Amino acid sequence: KNQVEQSPQSLIILEGKNCTLQCNYTVSPFSNLRWYKQDTGRGPVSLTIMTFSENTKSNGRYTATLDADTKQSSLHITASQLSDSASYICVVLNAGNMLTFGGGTRLMVKP
Amino acid sequence: ETGVTQTPRHLVMGMTNKKSLKCEQHLGHNAMYWYKQSAKKPLELMFVYSLEERVENNSVPSRFSPECPNSSHLFLHLHTLQPEDSALYLCASSRDFGLAGTYNEQFFGPGTRLTVL
Repeated sequence: KNQVEQSPQSLIILEGKNCTLQCNYTVSPFSNLRWYKQDTGRGPVSLTIMTFSENTKSNGRYTATLDADTKQSSLHITASQLSDSASYICVVLNAGNMLTFGGGTRLMVKP
Repeated sequence: ETGVTQTPRHLVMGMTNKKSLKCEQHLGHNAMYWYKQSAKKPLELMFVYSLEERVENNSVPSRFSPECPNSSHLFLHLHTLQPEDSALYLCASSRDFGLAGTYNEQFFGPGTRLTVL
């Protein structure tokens, strides 16, 4: 069964600190993995997309890593800002074009 | 803001009402999607349209009826809903459906927050 598990479910950090969100998946055959940021009351917005051959991809203060062998991905946020408060969703696409969504991590950045 | 708009942004309806959600994409995409997002649950794919034809229907109850009159517009008609249907309904579009690759990225609208009383 295709599954995407994210941890932690929620996280509170102080502004300026770094944090790392985890995504483990059992989707196969794997095509690509995406991280989305979803602000409260808004639709998800893509942060990064990674294919099998990519280990790291950055988008500003966001850096995603992918280990296709262990089927794990992480999203590292550097020097967090209040505007980083949101849900972060890991989504995996298989070769049959089926998307499997993780439950998300809700991040709160406090001043 | 993305090139996908949704109206209304908020909707409250009774179980006997009939209402419709509207989605419009200005990106020239060929595929459009409806998702349901309930509290503390992963996004659930409801319907997929590719070139105005329905290509996927994930066992959604018949009280939800999609319509895609052209590649830019997608509707979700609601009829005799239940309180458990209260959720955020998200529309998304992508350049194509059925082709893997980064260009198949989905762009989401802001969603319609639906409350069924």
